Amino acid sequence: AQSVTQLDSQVPVFEEAPVELRCNYSSSVSVYLFWYVQYPNQGLQLLLKYLSGSTLVKGINGFEAEFNKSQTSFHLRKPSVHISDTAEYFCAVSRNFGNEKLTFGTGTRLTIIP
Amino acid sequence: DSGVTQTPKHLITATGQRVTLRCSPRSGDLSVYWYQQSLDQGLQFLIQYYNGEERAKGNILERFSAQQFPDLHSELNLSSLELGDSALYFCASSARVNYGYTFGSGTRLTVV
Repeated sequence: AQSVTQLDSQVPVFEEAPVELRCNYSSSVSVYLFWYVQYPNQGLQLLLKYLSGSTLVKGINGFEAEFNKSQTSFHLRKPSVHISDTAEYFCAVSRNFGNEKLTFGTGTRLTIIP
Repeated sequence: DSGVTQTPKHLITATGQRVTLRCSPRSGDLSVYWYQQSLDQGLQFLIQYYNGEERAKGNILERFSAQQFPDLHSELNLSSLELGDSALYFCASSARVNYGYTFGSGTRLTVV
């Protein structure tokens, strides 16, 4: 079975500062990796995904993530955050075939400080 | 609008009651997934349907059941409700997992 660990439950960051949200996964087979964002009172929205190929993945809203197989990590980064980035961020993993379910981490609440 | 429609948006009901949550997937998506989101448990996978058939089961209680109909909409039935069942219930759909899920806006269930 696959699992995801998001080490930080809350991350406060000053506006225009860089941010990294950490995600580590565990799996005995090859995986797909995803980051989702949940704004207050909304559903989850796909930020970016790693399927194969280039380990640096770019997503919406200026976010990017890097897949590191040796460290089993998929950390999310943004060079300069804005107030509008305040949200909950979820890392997720699935096996890389078929219509497999996603297993989500516990989420990281990103708070932007003006 | 994500294309995944969940109704109702809010539901308040008493303990012991039964409710039905409805989900219409995005056009063309054959897979429907149900998740429960609560403060203490995070996002928990409940069940997956693919083209009308149950594909995977997660942490779904025996009091809960679901189905996917021929028109691909899905219903999640929750019975003998307890206070602890209060949560956000999300439906998501996908054509293939590597396309990512599209989530609905959720149904907030409050059991009193």
